[in-house]
Amino acid sequence: EAGVTQFPSHSVIEKGQTVTLRCDPISGHDNLYWYRRVMGKEIKFLLHFVKESKQDESGMPNNRFLAERTGGTYSTLKVQPAELEDSGVYFCASSQVVRDTQYFGPGTRLTVL
Amino acid sequence: DAKTTQPNSMESNEEEPVHLPCNHSTISGTDYIHWYRQLPSQGPEYVIHGLTSNVNNRMASLAIAEDRKSSTLILHRATLRDAAVYYCILRPYNNNDMRFGAGTRLTVKP
Repeated sequence: EAGVTQFPSHSVIEKGQTVTLRCDPISGHDNLYWYRRVMGKEIKFLLHFVKESKQDESGMPNNRFLAERTGGTYSTLKVQPAELEDSGVYFCASSQVVRDTQYFGPGTRLTVL
Repeated sequence: DAKTTQPNSMESNEEEPVHLPCNHSTISGTDYIHWYRQLPSQGPEYVIHGLTSNVNNRMASLAIAEDRKSSTLILHRATLRDAAVYYCILRPYNNNDMRFGAGTRLTVKP
């Protein structure tokens, strides 16, 4: 069974540009989560989807971040415009049911210059 | 929110047991204790979790203090592949996000 996949593995962009990160959860997992670790900080929760609905987006840092999960399958996280402080590693996780074990992807390393 | 305290780093010799401690003195009655680990260049990986009783699985054992204010992750025979950052996480029953701390960086020496 394929695990959680994320694309791209690494992205380097200029400040002010737009970047879109993609996450493909494990097939059949209704719950999808985004986390991130910015430089020198701990891994922080961003938001949680149940199918295509945002269940909890309390961790989204500001309105430059937009997450979508059309059709309840894969999810995208768009950063527009990107700022230097957005650099870090963005992780996606999925779980089959609420409060179940979360399975993480390998992460996307975002570098904003 | 309840917080966890872990040592920044620990060392172990290969093939020896490792006991990774975690203090969570402000844990609430419905918080589950989860352990994840993160190997280099990978995402966090589930290890084990429990509520009140000790738990065993193929990866590790989890010993939970009777008052639940601390727990210990036990790797019975450390291997070089166990070198990782280990996170002790309290996960409220009614909350789905994982609150990661700084974790413990485990180094395994051959």
